[in-house]
Parts: sequence; structure tokens; C-alpha cells
Amino acid sequence: GQNIDQPTEMTATEGAIVQINCTYQTSGFNGLFWYQQHAGEAPTFLSYNVLDGLEEKGRFSSFLSRSKGYSYLLLKELQMKDSASYLCAVREENAGNMLTFGGGTRLMVKP
Amino acid sequence: DTEVTQTPKHLVMGMTNKKSLKCEQHMGHRAMYWYKQKAKKPPELMFVYSYEKLSINESVPSRFSPECPNSSLLNLHLHALQPEDSALYLCASSQATSNEQFFGPGTRLTVL
Repeated sequence: GQNIDQPTEMTATEGAIVQINCTYQTSGFNGLFWYQQHAGEAPTFLSYNVLDGLEEKGRFSSFLSRSKGYSYLLLKELQMKDSASYLCAVREENAGNMLTFGGGTRLMVKP
Repeated sequence: DTEVTQTPKHLVMGMTNKKSLKCEQHMGHRAMYWYKQKAKKPPELMFVYSYEKLSINESVPSRFSPECPNSSLLNLHLHALQPEDSALYLCASSQATSNEQFFGPGTRLTVL
């Protein structure tokens, strides 16, 4: 089984940088995904980490430390449209490579 | 075509009705998924099809019945649902079960 923890809510200011943390406990770790989900819409894929280190994609970066069971999603130059839920999902080999989602972090960007 | 489509967008049904949700993708993905998502909760996996065969059924009640007629289509047949089954039903697909999943826009289901 898996235990995935994320903060429930965060607030940040337009133009700023925000870091959303995710910790997990699992056996057979086989990758961590970040998804963005606007209210009432489907999740959209943001990033994927399977090796330790930082993956950068424009204003979004994701970091993974497998030994610490820890990841973060970094959002730079925040825009109002970044207000959404951010879901951390862990893929576990022992579970047929299925994704288990954390509870999500609701980010509110204020002017 | 790089998207997953779902119909209908919204569905209201009574507890005695029979309805179906449809999902389609033309990306050549061989894995397709049904998730259920309640408000302010993460998606919960219901079913996984891999190469048109049901590979995972996460202890879902039999009033939900999945069907994969071909590699591009995934249906979810609904019968005798309960009000607590009201949720957003998301379909997703991936190249294989080891790849990232792409989600459809979902069907918002209300059971009266």
C-alpha cells in the first residue's frame, strides 16, 4: 500500500514562486507524477520523475529524492490561471504500475 | 488527434435507470482507465483495461460494468445506481500501463 501526503491548501501571490511538497511511503516505487486540475475539469499531466533530481519544464519544475520519499513541484512567475489543485501521484510496481493519487493541494494565487 | 473524449458531459439519472458513459481515444494507446472523483477528493481508480482485456477491477460494485469494444473505445454501463455514486467519472488512457496517463474531460453524474 501507499501513503501520500500533500498540504491541503496553499496561497501565493501573482509573480511569486511557490513550492508544493509531496511525501510518500511505498514499496516498489516506479515513478512520481504531478497533475494540475482546475475545478470541474480533468487532471492534466505536468511532470514525471523516476530518477533523483530536478526536471524543468518552463515555469514548472519537479524534484525527486527517492531515498527520502520526497518530491516537490515548483511554480515560478505565478499567474492567476495557476490557481488549481495540484495532484501528486505515485506509481508502484507491486500494484501493476497503477497510479495512487495524493489528496491534492489547492493553490490560490492572489493579485 | 491527441485527446481523450468523453460523452456525455453531464448526466442525471434515477436509481432505476440504465445508462452508459463513453470514452474514446485515437492516440493508439493500449491502456484505458475509469476513475471516480468526488468533490475535493483525488481520483480513485475503478477499472483498467490493457490491450482490451480487463486487468484491474478495484473492488467496484457490480452496478458499474465496464466494456472495451475495441482499442479506441471504453464504456461504463450504469444500472441501479445510488445517490452516493454521484461524482465526476474520468476516463484516461496511456501508451501502456507504465506510461503517463492522459485524462478526458469527465462526465459529471448525478443520481437522484
